[in-house]
Amino acid sequence: GENVEQHPSTLSVQEGDSAVIKCTYSDSASNYFPWYKQELGKRPQLIIDIRSNVGEKKDQRIAVTLNKTAKHFSLHITETQPEDSAVYFCAATNQAGTALIFGKGTTLSVSS
Amino acid sequence: DTAVSQTPKYLVTQMGNDKSIKCEQNLGHDTMYWYKQDSKKFLKIMFSYNNKELIINETVPNRFSPKSPDKAHLNLHINSLELGDSAVYFCASSQETAANYGYTFGSGTRLTVV
Repeated sequence: GENVEQHPSTLSVQEGDSAVIKCTYSDSASNYFPWYKQELGKRPQLIIDIRSNVGEKKDQRIAVTLNKTAKHFSLHITETQPEDSAVYFCAATNQAGTALIFGKGTTLSVSS
Repeated sequence: DTAVSQTPKYLVTQMGNDKSIKCEQNLGHDTMYWYKQDSKKFLKIMFSYNNKELIINETVPNRFSPKSPDKAHLNLHINSLELGDSAVYFCASSQETAANYGYTFGSGTRLTVV
């Protein structure tokens, strides 16, 4: 079935360092890849997304890259800050394009 | 105005009871979803409705029954609650059926079955 693998499951960095989270997806028909940030006790919130016709997208300290051939996409956070600490989820559309399949999440801890 | 609102926020109930969770969105979106987030934070889709029509019904026990009276509302009724139903349930909505614009999530309902 459709699957999204996400690594690592936990990531600890020092403030100011970069953080990279990687995902792979199984369905070549997937065409939309959003990333969500979920703070403790809160709802997941969309932080950045990328579509299959684009290889890279950047928004201030956050960037996402997509390699459709390898079915990989990654989230890059530069100059991390303590407020970046949260659980990050990658997702990809299912084969029918009717829903998002989520990775299992990465708990990012940024220490000052 | 909250874009996607869920009630209640917390629900503690005994095994065997029947309970409902309500969701409403004021974004004018066509599609609504229910996701279950377990203790390991995994977000798993349960149901999807587009304009009151059931689109996705994943492998969920038939004790769970969604109902969409109109495209702005999607409720979840759970019969004969079990300990394993304890989780956070998130409602979400998106434009169109294709989920190509991302979801807006509700604030979640933390269900605890004792």
